[in-house]
Amino acid sequence: GQNIDQPTEMTATEGAIVQINCTYQTSGFNGLFWYQQHAGEAPTFLSYNVLDGLEEKGRFSSFLSRSKGYSYLLLKELQMKDSASYLCAVPMDSNYQLIWGAGTKLIIKP
Amino acid sequence: DVKVTQSSRYLVKRTGEKVFLECVQDMDHENMFWYRQDPGLGLRLIYFSYDVKMKEKGDIPEGYSVSREKKERFSLILESASTNQTSMYLCASSLSDRDGSDTQYFGPGTRLTVL
Repeated sequence: GQNIDQPTEMTATEGAIVQINCTYQTSGFNGLFWYQQHAGEAPTFLSYNVLDGLEEKGRFSSFLSRSKGYSYLLLKELQMKDSASYLCAVPMDSNYQLIWGAGTKLIIKP
Repeated sequence: DVKVTQSSRYLVKRTGEKVFLECVQDMDHENMFWYRQDPGLGLRLIYFSYDVKMKEKGDIPEGYSVSREKKERFSLILESASTNQTSMYLCASSLSDRDGSDTQYFGPGTRLTVL
């Protein structure tokens, strides 16, 4: 079947680095999305990886290994405003839709 | 910037009422989606549309219907609201790719409470 797994919750300290993992099992592969969602708000796009490797975008980086069915989101120099849920999603092959992970709630402590 | 708007941020309805949730996007996107989001369950797709007047069932279509008469507008209808439809409803749109690789842009969400 098709499935995405993410940890339910993580805690980190302001100023530190945190890595949020996502593993997926899909019949095909057309890339992997990361979204950020603050409590009570809509998800907003963070990154889209199609090729293996690390893509850096400011304090946020996203890594993909297609052979391992694995991705992670790396957040550096954590700020309190980074407290949010982080959603991993993978397109379903030729079907317009995304398969969504349940999200990882990141709690930042001072 | 892509803008997706939803008709209400908060809505309170009574059991049995007919409920309309409206979504409008201004970027000429072909695809539009309706999700509901509940704690611990993540985003679940109710219906999506890849063209005007076209619609496809998602994972949880029961109790819902949709309408897409114009490209920019996608409506979700609860024919007879029930308490188990209390949830956050999110609309999204994406450009046109059939394979799902286009970024989905979300509206602010409607938090619906059915009493």
